Amino acid sequence: SQKIEQNSEALNIQEGKTATLTCNYTNYSPAYLQWYRQDPGRGPVFLLLIRENEKEKRKERLKVTFDTTLKQSLFHITASQPADSATYLCALASSNTGKLIFGQGTTLQVKP
Amino acid sequence: DAEITQSPRHKITETGRQVTLACHQTWNHNNMFWYRQDLGHGLRLIHYSYGVQDTNKGEVSDGYSVSRSNTEDLPLTLESAASSQTSVYFCASSGAESGGPYNEQFFGPGTRLTVL
Repeated sequence: SQKIEQNSEALNIQEGKTATLTCNYTNYSPAYLQWYRQDPGRGPVFLLLIRENEKEKRKERLKVTFDTTLKQSLFHITASQPADSATYLCALASSNTGKLIFGQGTTLQVKP
Repeated sequence: DAEITQSPRHKITETGRQVTLACHQTWNHNNMFWYRQDLGHGLRLIHYSYGVQDTNKGEVSDGYSVSRSNTEDLPLTLESAASSQTSVYFCASSGAESGGPYNEQFFGPGTRLTVL
């Protein structure tokens, strides 16, 4: 069955370091992948979208990579800040289903 | 500013009652979605719509229904609420052309539903 895996354990890092979050998938051929941020008690907020023919996408301190051979996306936050503390969700969609499938999310805690 | 709103924000109901959760967006988006979020499961798609009069079942649609009579609203109805439907419900919309969520989704603030 189709499966999306994000590290369920919280990631704790020191302020100023680079945070790297992983999204792995199986039995799926996504046309594109999205990353969202979710704060407690709030709805997810879109961050970045990367298509299957793109290797890397950047936006300010954020960088996403997409390796369709490894079936993996990496999400990086450089020079992390305590305000980056949140849960980050990856979501995949294939052009033939038209539906977005979300991973469970990874909680990031940035300590000052 | 355009936005997406959900009401109520919190709801407590009893098993067997019919419950309707409202979702309203002012972006004039074609696509609207309903998800539920539970610990250990993440966001799961309940129903979605690509335009007026269009509705589709998601992965966890049993016990839920939606209708799309206009662009702005996609109400979610629990026909006979069950304790297993206690969850946080999120509505989302996207402006992609009809046929797929190819753009970012904008989420509402969520409705916390408790079924006793």
